[in-house]
Amino acid sequence: QVQLVESGGGVVQPGGSLRLSCAASGFTFSSYGMHWVRQAPGKGLEWVAFIRYDGSNKYYADSVKGRFTISRDNSKNTLYLQMNSLRAEDTAVYYCAKDPDYYDSSGYYLMDYWGQGTLVTVSS
Amino acid sequence: QSVLTQPPSASGTPGQRVTISCSGSSSNIGSNYVYWYQQLPGTAPKLLIYRNNQRPSGVPDRFSGSKSGTSASLAISGLRSEDEADYYCAAWDDSLSGPDVVFGGGTKLTVL
Repeated sequence: QVQLVESGGGVVQPGGSLRLSCAASGFTFSSYGMHWVRQAPGKGLEWVAFIRYDGSNKYYADSVKGRFTISRDNSKNTLYLQMNSLRAEDTAVYYCAKDPDYYDSSGYYLMDYWGQGTLVTVSS
Repeated sequence: QSVLTQPPSASGTPGQRVTISCSGSSSNIGSNYVYWYQQLPGTAPKLLIYRNNQRPSGVPDRFSGSKSGTSASLAISGLRSEDEADYYCAAWDDSLSGPDVVFGGGTKLTVL
């Protein structure tokens, strides 16, 4: 069965950096796109970034563009999110999610499985 | 302010039918599939409806989705207490600055 396990969350000071990981199993990781989605305490879901199955294309939300970098290592079945210049408003649970990375005449497919999330707290 | 618009709350009594709307634009719902996610309290989101109206295996047929133009809706019939959760719609958005994913603000469903 599909498993996505995030790690790397914790407490970091404003301006600091953190790298999140998402270990994938139960599917052919190298054939699927992957997302990071976050949820601030008591708030809704906010999309952060997406990377295609082979890493050829990456897309970011405006709120993190230039500060966050999504990457993947298909040999290790692992997704990453490097977060730099962190701000208080980046405090959230960060989820990784799997995406078929596919489209047809009616549009693009979207995320189908989610991990349990890892909490990032940006505070002095 | 979310790109997709959902009502912040909805409610119903056991056995009732409730619907949750999701309004977007031509660049997101109008040109891509709509997905619905259910988030039970304290848990991660789970896929509820994919490609506008398809149910993953294991999701009861009490849940149904539809899409028309730039709007979509989620219907839950035969409401049960375990349906009390937050519900989110989502879609890819073909924005001018590059594709991104947009979510609705979420609808908190209360079973009275």
